Amino acid sequence: DQQVKQNSPSLSVQEGRISILNCDYTNSMFDYFLWYKKYPAEGPTFLISISSIKDKNEDGRFTVFLNKSAKHLSLHIVPSQPGDSAVYFCAGQKTSYDKVIFGPGTSLSVIP
Amino acid sequence: DSGVTQTPKHLITATGQRVTLRCSPRSGDLSVYWYQQSLDQGLQFLIQYYNGEERAKGNILERFSAQQFPDLHSELNLSSLELGDSALYFCASSAMGLQETQYFGPGTRLLVL
Repeated sequence: DQQVKQNSPSLSVQEGRISILNCDYTNSMFDYFLWYKKYPAEGPTFLISISSIKDKNEDGRFTVFLNKSAKHLSLHIVPSQPGDSAVYFCAGQKTSYDKVIFGPGTSLSVIP
Repeated sequence: DSGVTQTPKHLITATGQRVTLRCSPRSGDLSVYWYQQSLDQGLQFLIQYYNGEERAKGNILERFSAQQFPDLHSELNLSSLELGDSALYFCASSAMGLQETQYFGPGTRLLVL
């Protein structure tokens, strides 16, 4: 049972444009969501998180939006840069003290 | 560089064998986590240790076991290996527990032939 879904395995965007990565979850107990970024031959690195009491969290070019009623979150990257090309994992936690459940990832390619 | 080291980087072995993956956490981190990433799968949480004690368990098979030593490094032991165990195995660490950002190592790629 996949509790965190990322239905787009890959996404291609022109440099300077907006990248939107989507994530859906089934576990209504999730209270905390995270995005991790992974380059080839490296481990994932934490990017941004959001608590369920918020609907938006922004950090520089990265913004995460949460729609609890739709059990959907999205990561917006504006403007997209070639260095953003990586695999992005969405993840959820029941509480910030619970194990992290990761989605399968979306591979983003930013074309110069 | 996350500060988390994993050895070996690559491992090729045969079915039925046993292997040990090693992880050294970031300096000062007490928690170590193990994850498995199979083809087209997300990161599957296996197990967490905190200061030498098992703290949380995920979908870890009985053929797999882990431990954290007094110097805080951790080992993941995989035995009676099957073809389906071929995957990337990541170790992560954090200062205290699950509520914190986890820092991942570069992973060990295991291929079972």
